[in-house]
Amino acid sequence: DAKTTQPNSMESNEEEPVHLPCNHSTISGTDYIHWYRQLPSQGPEYVIHGLTSNVNNRMASLAIAEDRKSSTLILHRATLRDAAVYYCILRRTSGTYKYIFGTGTRLKVLA
Amino acid sequence: GAGVSQTPSNKVTEKGKYVELRCDPISGHTALYWYRQSLGQGPEFLIYFQGTGAADDSGLPNDRFFAVRPEGSVSTLKIQRTERGDSAVYLCASSTQTGGITEAFFGQGTRLTVV
Repeated sequence: DAKTTQPNSMESNEEEPVHLPCNHSTISGTDYIHWYRQLPSQGPEYVIHGLTSNVNNRMASLAIAEDRKSSTLILHRATLRDAAVYYCILRRTSGTYKYIFGTGTRLKVLA
Repeated sequence: GAGVSQTPSNKVTEKGKYVELRCDPISGHTALYWYRQSLGQGPEFLIYFQGTGAADDSGLPNDRFFAVRPEGSVSTLKIQRTERGDSAVYLCASSTQTGGITEAFFGQGTRLTVV
């Protein structure tokens, strides 16, 4: 299973942008990059996904490196409600489709 | 219901007992996943179903763990002879298909405590 590496924790001030990095040097050509977040006492929640091009949605943006060996989740204006553990996951389009979660990045947002 | 429903939300059982955890996926979702999560860790994959069949059960830790999805909708995770190390939050998720482009929807989980 392709693995991802993320920092254990990050801090951000409220209303400022946050860039959460993820390394996935063993990514294969057909792996999608997914991001989920988990708020305290909740199940994980989908944030965004992409393959090669940068992606934007109402929650966040995903910037994917040209060689696809890394990606960055961007929260444009962090709020206190964004405090969560953020997981970067690779998902295949064939074979086994299970999500493999790492330990994620715990984001702390300071008021 | 609007989302994935898991029951019970909390379960306390004695060591050695049998427990069943239930997951009601979103209607129409063909893929269903079970995970367990220990404190401070990311969710650990257990098994996933495509329809009624277990497409990948490589995460089940041993033969005390078993899951079924007889009609391709509701799933039950069964744990025999529970041990204290089985204490964790058990999460269920469902999605429309298993391809890499789809998102999964997770339930709130069942917190299992084995005493």
